[in-house]
Amino acid sequence: GQNIDQPTEMTATEGAIVQINCTYQTSGFNGLFWYQQHAGEAPTFLSYNVLDGLEEKGRFSSFLSRSKGYSYLLLKELQMKDSASYLCAVMDSNYQLIWGAGTKLIIKP
Amino acid sequence: NAGVTQTPKFRVLKTGQSMTLLCAQDMNHEYMYWYRQDPGMGLRLIHYSVGEGTTAKGEVPDGYNVSRLKKQNVLLGLESAAPSQTSVYFCASSYVLAGAVEQFFGPGTRLTVL
Repeated sequence: GQNIDQPTEMTATEGAIVQINCTYQTSGFNGLFWYQQHAGEAPTFLSYNVLDGLEEKGRFSSFLSRSKGYSYLLLKELQMKDSASYLCAVMDSNYQLIWGAGTKLIIKP
Repeated sequence: NAGVTQTPKFRVLKTGQSMTLLCAQDMNHEYMYWYRQDPGMGLRLIHYSVGEGTTAKGEVPDGYNVSRLKKQNVLLGLESAAPSQTSVYFCASSYVLAGAVEQFFGPGTRLTVL
């Protein structure tokens, strides 16, 4: 079966750095996505990785290792507005997104 | 530019009732998707459409039907609602199917089936 694993919840301090991990087992791989979802709102796109390595976009970076079935999202200089759930999703061989359950990130002052 | 809109925002049904959820997008996207999101689970694809007049089954299609009569709109129907269909339903759209292309999501419909 297809499976995406992420930690359920993480806590971090404002101004710090946090790394959210995602491991996956899917039938085929056509890219990995990270989305942000604030409580009660729709998911919004953060990043896309299809090749191994690090993609940086402002305070957010995303890393992929296809051989290990592993990705992480790195958030720097945390702000209170970063409190949200972070969803990892993999596009499989049928070009459908398989989603993880999400990691709820709590930021403390 | 409204993006993706969904109606209604909230709905309460009794078991056995039917309803239709409406999704509209003004970005001229070819691809549209219906997901459900349940606590502790990832988004799950119900049905999707690759263009006007076309639909296909996703991961959890049972109990739902879908239609895409116009490029801008997609409907999701529940023929006979069951408590297991209590969920938050999201519609999404994208310009293409694959590659570094984000899906744009609507605000969701919160459905409770009693």
